[in-house]
Amino acid sequence: DVKVTQSSRYLVKRTGEKVFLECVQDMDHENMFWYRQDPGLGLRLIYFSYDVKMKEKGDIPEGYSVSREKKERFSLILESASTNQTSMYLCASSLGGRIYEQYFGPGTRLTVT
Amino acid sequence: GQQLNQSPQSMFIQEGEDVSMNCTSSSIFNTWLWYKQEPGEGPVLLIALYKAGELTSNGRLTAQFGITRKDSFLNISASIPSDVGIYFCAGVGSSNTGKLIFGQGTTLQVKP
Repeated sequence: DVKVTQSSRYLVKRTGEKVFLECVQDMDHENMFWYRQDPGLGLRLIYFSYDVKMKEKGDIPEGYSVSREKKERFSLILESASTNQTSMYLCASSLGGRIYEQYFGPGTRLTVT
Repeated sequence: GQQLNQSPQSMFIQEGEDVSMNCTSSSIFNTWLWYKQEPGEGPVLLIALYKAGELTSNGRLTAQFGITRKDSFLNISASIPSDVGIYFCAGVGSSNTGKLIFGQGTTLQVKP
């Protein structure tokens, strides 16, 4: 079974702090994704990566950056956390040839106070 | 940008009933997928559809890729309590390479 793990299930940070969310997958998937999930809005894509050191902006990249130094690991960085970034963050991965069949991690619920 | 409208927003049904939900768009989509999210977990892929008119089953679940390519349907037959969760449709539009667009979700509750 594919396993996608996220470093924290719950996180509370203060406004202005730099926040790192880590995601690791164990199935040698080429593609990795970061989404945020808000009630009534579904999932919205923040950034994705096709390969190591490659990244592409999703639909809502403002205020976020990403890093992919190793194939199995994809990090989401909030440079200066703000209260409107309070949300559920979901990481996903997929095989190169089946990019849309994504496997999700359990999510990190981030609260920025 | 492209959007998906998913309905109904929520459903509260009796165990054993059949369930139908759908997803529509004003523009053409090339791929449709259905995911289920249980409380405290990430979404899990249920069914992927790649061809207009395609009808695919996964146990008690059946999904169809609409012939107009602007909609998709998910049916659940003989619902059971473990069907509880949020069901999301997701699609790939003609101009969104590599990106999935998600619907707002349908929350399903099943009364034993």
